[in-house]
Amino acid sequence: KNEVEQSPQNLTAQEGEFITINCSYSVGISALHWLQQHPGGGIVSLFMLSSGKKKHGRLIATINIQEKHSSLHITASHPRDSAVYICAAMRHSNYQLIWGAGTKLIIKP
Amino acid sequence: GAGVSQSPSNKVTEKGKDVELRCDPISGHTALYWYRQSLGQGLEFLIYFQGNSAPDKSGLPSDRFSAERTGGSVSTLTIQRTQQEDSAVYLCASSQGVGNTGELFFGEGSRLTVL
Repeated sequence: KNEVEQSPQNLTAQEGEFITINCSYSVGISALHWLQQHPGGGIVSLFMLSSGKKKHGRLIATINIQEKHSSLHITASHPRDSAVYICAAMRHSNYQLIWGAGTKLIIKP
Repeated sequence: GAGVSQSPSNKVTEKGKDVELRCDPISGHTALYWYRQSLGQGLEFLIYFQGNSAPDKSGLPSDRFSAERTGGSVSTLTIQRTQQEDSAVYLCASSQGVGNTGELFFGEGSRLTVL
């Protein structure tokens, strides 16, 4: 079992839909990161969470430390949101980032 | 600079040659991370620095890989006697501190192709 599990692996939705990507982890963490990678592009950090909820524009990220679960939500999705979204847990013991496999999101106009 | 800078952006080399990749983090960021992403694969942790110190080198794939950071700023990742399986995009990231003390900022990566 991977230490960081993401779901779904692939997600196709229509423009305007509400999107949820889930991440579960099994290690003790100091922080959880949500990252975005566009095709052929670099990686951009969206959120760093150690508790609670953060919001930035149409993006919302939540984390439940007790349940070891985090979610990334996109409201009013747009084709430009199409990218791979990666959940990465920073291991508390050695600060190593453990990456999820990523969720490939396609938003159709 | 304003962001994390990596060089070269592209490097093509022959098998057996040594390569050096450079990362210039955001000024004032004490933590620096190296990752690599092979074609179709996820991100693989290589090493991180807190200041000039690298507490955990377990992610380096072999003893052909080494990294150093001097002055708490620029870091170089050196691959000796490159092999074809070393071909990947090597990414550098920096943050103000380790753990939950800083958001990660990534460079654009150095694409290494070993022929």
